[in-house]
Amino acid sequence: DTGVSQNPRHKITKRGQNVTFRCDPISEHNRLYWYRQTLGQGPEFLTYFQNEAQLEKSRLLSDRFSAERPKGSFSTLEIQRTEQGDSAMYLCASSHRDLGAYEQYFGPGTRLTVT
Amino acid sequence: SQQGEEDPQALSIQEGENATMNCSYKTSINNLQWYRQNSGRGLVHLILIRSNEREKHSGRLRVTLDTSKKSSSLLITASRAADTASYFCATESRMDSSYKLIFGSGTRLLVRP
Repeated sequence: DTGVSQNPRHKITKRGQNVTFRCDPISEHNRLYWYRQTLGQGPEFLTYFQNEAQLEKSRLLSDRFSAERPKGSFSTLEIQRTEQGDSAMYLCASSHRDLGAYEQYFGPGTRLTVT
Repeated sequence: SQQGEEDPQALSIQEGENATMNCSYKTSINNLQWYRQNSGRGLVHLILIRSNEREKHSGRLRVTLDTSKKSSSLLITASRAADTASYFCATESRMDSSYKLIFGSGTRLLVRP
């Protein structure tokens, strides 16, 4: 168990550019979540996958955001035409309730700065 | 929007003292969890309390849950400088099949050596 990993750890981009983040969950975990956290606030839910199926999306996830989890393994979160308001920490978490574990395991996050 | 409020927003104590943080939430829950976050890092799970539990201990941590008041508290006893971090409560809604977590706004704890 190597934990949840996220890449890149930091991303600086200019407004209008597209960015893509990757999350590798703990291998046996079937549930994967994306959250966004702005300075001084708690994380806010963005979207959720069970295996490869994206089952819920927050209204925070505008048309410019898309997430995938091909084959139920790693996940990517893409933001198109970035805006300064997209600057935040993007956190990925995984869990496996079927194993009786209700806690979520978080990755280190990707900090996005849009200039 | 976030589920709950945490109180206080910031807390500064001397090493060795106890730290108490409170959390309030809005909906019926399956469980309530506390997480810790060091500056600029990911979140680390500390402890989970189910809706039918009233108190739980783990090492120097003690969590209470009052579902009638929709509130919880986290007590860290004999604090250490290494406990300096932000602490967040998070709830799993009973109505929610995704089991996503809804976080509070956090308490920033500073433990002075």
